[in-house]
Amino acid sequence: DADVTQTPRNRITKTGKRIMLECSQTKGHDRMYWYRQDPGLGLRLIYYSFDVKDINKGEISDGYSVSRQAQAKFSLSLESAIPNQTALYFCATSRLAGNEQFFGPGTRLTVL
Amino acid sequence: GESVGLHLPTLSVQEGDNSIINCAYSNSASDYFIWYKQESGKGPQFIIDIRSNMDKRQGQRVTVLLNKTVKHLSLQIAATQPGDSAVYFCAEMGGSNYKLTFGKGTLLTVNP
Repeated sequence: DADVTQTPRNRITKTGKRIMLECSQTKGHDRMYWYRQDPGLGLRLIYYSFDVKDINKGEISDGYSVSRQAQAKFSLSLESAIPNQTALYFCATSRLAGNEQFFGPGTRLTVL
Repeated sequence: GESVGLHLPTLSVQEGDNSIINCAYSNSASDYFIWYKQESGKGPQFIIDIRSNMDKRQGQRVTVLLNKTVKHLSLQIAATQPGDSAVYFCAEMGGSNYKLTFGKGTLLTVNP
């Protein structure tokens, strides 16, 4: 499903580097989310945004920042990457009042 | 604290059999409970949800049961097919912020 796209799909970086993960959607949804998935664990919410002017911290926001550049774009930044941020990152979108979240294909990030 | 967890990390079934995936939750205030399917290399995909005031809901080949007395949620898949092989996550949603809290997932393997 190409409605929610993420770039890059894979990234290897070094400790201390600044990294930006990008998410774009063509679904016209107001709400966007960033999740992190670690092996053996479920997804954990990093940040979420209900519209362009709204940004909220999730469960594990430390070490991350986000920018909602437009309704269709929500980027996640790691200002100074560390090895324990190695994980699979997912962007998701949802309607203004809906339970279903639509997930992108994920970005696999490795911090050496 | 609030948590959503799973009884079994793995489940192996024969093609054509029915599958039952279980989930325990602890937050009685959740408004909705949701099942997601995640195939290898893909983002989670919504399967079905159930509102907290219901005890059963049926979809195509799937049924979700909610037992609020024991805080238990299950997903039943009828006539399991190889394409059903995936990790299944339960998640809960509560409050006005539509945040999802995911469980750790169950790996379902369908043997031909």
